[in-house]
Amino acid sequence: GAVVSQHPSWVICKSGTSVKIECRSLDFQATTMFWYRQFPKQSLMLMATSNEGSKATYEQGVEKDKFLINHASLTLSTLTVTSAHPEDSSFYICSATTSRETQYFGPGTRLLVL
Amino acid sequence: GEDVEQSLFLSVREGDSSVINCTYTDSSSTYLYWYKQEPGAGLQLLTYIFSNMDMKQDQRLTVLLNKKDKHLSLRIADTQTGDSAIYFCAETPEGGKLIFGQGTELSVKP
Repeated sequence: GAVVSQHPSWVICKSGTSVKIECRSLDFQATTMFWYRQFPKQSLMLMATSNEGSKATYEQGVEKDKFLINHASLTLSTLTVTSAHPEDSSFYICSATTSRETQYFGPGTRLLVL
Repeated sequence: GEDVEQSLFLSVREGDSSVINCTYTDSSSTYLYWYKQEPGAGLQLLTYIFSNMDMKQDQRLTVLLNKKDKHLSLRIADTQTGDSAIYFCAETPEGGKLIFGQGTELSVKP
């Protein structure tokens, strides 16, 4: 139980294009989903918290117009990196939770912007 | 403030015990977690401990919590090469957020 998937697992795009990453909870309904970013050999940095049906809460320093988050249902949240640039290249990981207690993580999406 | 510290590397021989240490700052964290990350993968929840517990054992894993010193440790008994990975501890100060340490890279030599 508690499986979270992400799609795509990796993506390469040209600078200036937008990329959408999906996060799905496969066998449970997630009241809250989180989006993290991880640079090589570094820890995970929380980008935003997303509750179904409401606007995401962004962490300080994260541009909400650049990283659009939509949590349309209890099993799906999407992160869109708009007008991507090489510095947006990173490993993006989502997590989902049914409560405030345990987060289950997706396998991550590796984004490379050329 | 919220801050979680871990040592960056640990190297052990196969069959030995591994102990990964973590210190945290937020005493209001209800749960403290240990996650495992293998190369290129997401995070796998290993175990967690409720803040009013001192110890939790789950097969080869033992978690010790010293709430007074805000110190958390993960002991892996009979460490195997498949245990090689990065281990993150995390605290939960508020709102369900996880604050991660930098991760400890465990290397298990045969």
